[in-house]
Amino acid sequence: DSGVTQTPKHLITATGQRVTLRCSPRSGDLSVYWYQQSLDQGLQFLIQYYNGEERAKGNILERFSAQQFPDLHSELNLSSLELGDSALYFCASSVGLADGELFFGEGSRLTVL
Amino acid sequence: DAKTTQPNSMESNEEEPVHLPCNHSTISGTDYIHWYRQLPSQGPEYVIHGLTSNVNNRMASLAIAEDRKSSTLILHRATLRDAAVYYCILRDVRNYGQNFVFGPGTRLSVLP
Repeated sequence: DSGVTQTPKHLITATGQRVTLRCSPRSGDLSVYWYQQSLDQGLQFLIQYYNGEERAKGNILERFSAQQFPDLHSELNLSSLELGDSALYFCASSVGLADGELFFGEGSRLTVL
Repeated sequence: DAKTTQPNSMESNEEEPVHLPCNHSTISGTDYIHWYRQLPSQGPEYVIHGLTSNVNNRMASLAIAEDRKSSTLILHRATLRDAAVYYCILRDVRNYGQNFVFGPGTRLSVLP
């Protein structure tokens, strides 16, 4: 158990819909990262927040957005969903801004039909 | 971004040592070498990281070549639970915006 909690574990929705994925980092961790893992793309970095502020951005689509709240939990919002958005979405956390050790959650599996 | 090259797959027998190679010929002086692994149906898990010297922890050892252009992750005694995809990743800690870039990794199979 990494200490990172992600909900929901599984989500099935239709194209065009919007979903929110939630992540609770390990106690004391200030950084939260979001990654997408699909069969053909592997693990792709989406975005990083540190203590409530966006600090790094990767290959995140404009239809996707994220935020980190004062209690440090984070949400990833995916809108206008397409079939290609079906993937595992992982959240990770770390103590600081550029730590070598990230702790990953078990992921949220999104299926878009 | 400095890139890494790993074999697509490797096989090992249970209870034998495993050496997982990684080439990173374009590594910069401030790139740390990280290893993560991903067990089936789980999120990635940190294994070890280092800069120049060899590193040991409870999970594995990391041997870094003198010129730093390659490294080897050593599992001293493979178990069935070590079957996973192993990722070798470079990260320059001067630039926190350069986040962990996971390549395809090496899929390790452990035979009983």
